[in-house]
Amino acid sequence: AQSVTQPDIHITVSEGASLELRCNYSYGATPYLFWYVQSPGQGLQLLLKYFSGDTLVQGIKGFEAEFKRSQSSFNLRKPSVHWSDAAEYFCAVGAAGGSYIPTFGRGTSLIVHP
Amino acid sequence: ETGVTQSPTHLIKTRGQQVTLRCSSQSGHNTVSWYQQALGQGPQFIFQYYREEENGRGNFPPRFSGLQFPNYSSELNVNALELDDSALYLCASSPAGTVGYEQYFGPGTRLTVT
Repeated sequence: AQSVTQPDIHITVSEGASLELRCNYSYGATPYLFWYVQSPGQGLQLLLKYFSGDTLVQGIKGFEAEFKRSQSSFNLRKPSVHWSDAAEYFCAVGAAGGSYIPTFGRGTSLIVHP
Repeated sequence: ETGVTQSPTHLIKTRGQQVTLRCSSQSGHNTVSWYQQALGQGPQFIFQYYREEENGRGNFPPRFSGLQFPNYSSELNVNALELDDSALYLCASSPAGTVGYEQYFGPGTRLTVT
């Protein structure tokens, strides 16, 4: 069965600092990997996705993520955080083929200090 | 283009009652997925509908059921409500041709069971 671990429940950074949110997955074959962001009272918004090809994926809002098969990781990064980035971030893994049934991590809450 | 909408925004029900939640997909989207998000957790996949047929189901009991209509709007029905059903219920629609991999989420319905 597929699973996702986001080891950090909360991350606090200063505005302008760099950010890395960790995501580790467990899946037997090549996974489909996703990062979503959820602001309070909002639904989830897709930041970026990895299906195949280049292991460094660029997303919206200046985010990027790198797929490392050897480490079963798909960490999310941003070089300079803005106060508006404060939100809940979810990593998800999905199985290829047939219907898409994703598994989400429990999320990492990002707090941005001025 | 309008986004994914859900109704109602909030709902309070009593244990044992039945509830229907509604979702209106984006234009051109023929797949809809439903998720349950408990407080402090990531979304849990309930089921997915593609062209009005159930196309995958997560680990939820049969008292969770759904419908997708010809206009691709959707309903989630929950019978015999339990206290643990209290959660944010999210629907996500996917464009034709993506088989659910690319998901656009609505803002959710907050269900409280007392």
